[in-house]
Amino acid sequence: DSGVTQTPKHLITATGQRVTLRCSPRSGDLSVYWYQQSLDQGLQFLIQYYNGEERAKGNILERFSAQQFPDLHSELNLSSLELGDSALYFCASRRTGGDTQYFGPGTRLTVL
Amino acid sequence: TQLLEQSPQFLSIQEGENLTVYCNSSSVFSSLQWYRQEPGEGPVLLVTVVTGGEVKKLKRLTFQFGDARKDSSLHITAAQPGDTGLYLCAGANSNYQLIWGAGTKLIIKP
Repeated sequence: DSGVTQTPKHLITATGQRVTLRCSPRSGDLSVYWYQQSLDQGLQFLIQYYNGEERAKGNILERFSAQQFPDLHSELNLSSLELGDSALYFCASRRTGGDTQYFGPGTRLTVL
Repeated sequence: TQLLEQSPQFLSIQEGENLTVYCNSSSVFSSLQWYRQEPGEGPVLLVTVVTGGEVKKLKRLTFQFGDARKDSSLHITAAQPGDTGLYLCAGANSNYQLIWGAGTKLIIKP
């Protein structure tokens, strides 16, 4: 158990819909990262937050947005969903000053 | 743009054989991490190497960081079916961003 929690574990929705994925980092970790992983592929970095502020952006679509709240949990919002958005979405947290990212169990999103 | 090339992308071998996975870059990393991921689960950290030339062993797995801290290798001795999974390398830059390799899908056949 990494200490990072993600909900929901599975999400099935239709094209055009909007969903919100939630992540709670390890206790004391201020950095949260979001990744997308399509079937049998590597991790695609989406976005990073540090203590409530956006720190870095990767290959995140304009239809996607994220935020980190004062209690440090983070949400990834995916809107106008397309079939190609079906993937595993992971969040990871990192201790300030450390290199290691600790991953949550992921949310499997299926868009029908 | 920092890139980390991981090879091979896919490897299927018999139980008992040895194998090596490589991660190479033209960039210097402050550290390099190896993760293992099983289907439907999040990546789990195996090891972090920090010092150039460092070698770390985890049972039958040996991890090496290149002298110039630009490359790394993972060697598995006498592979077992339980080693099956996706192996990912990730290099950390000075901004604590991780640059990820594309992953090696490893299948060990009994």
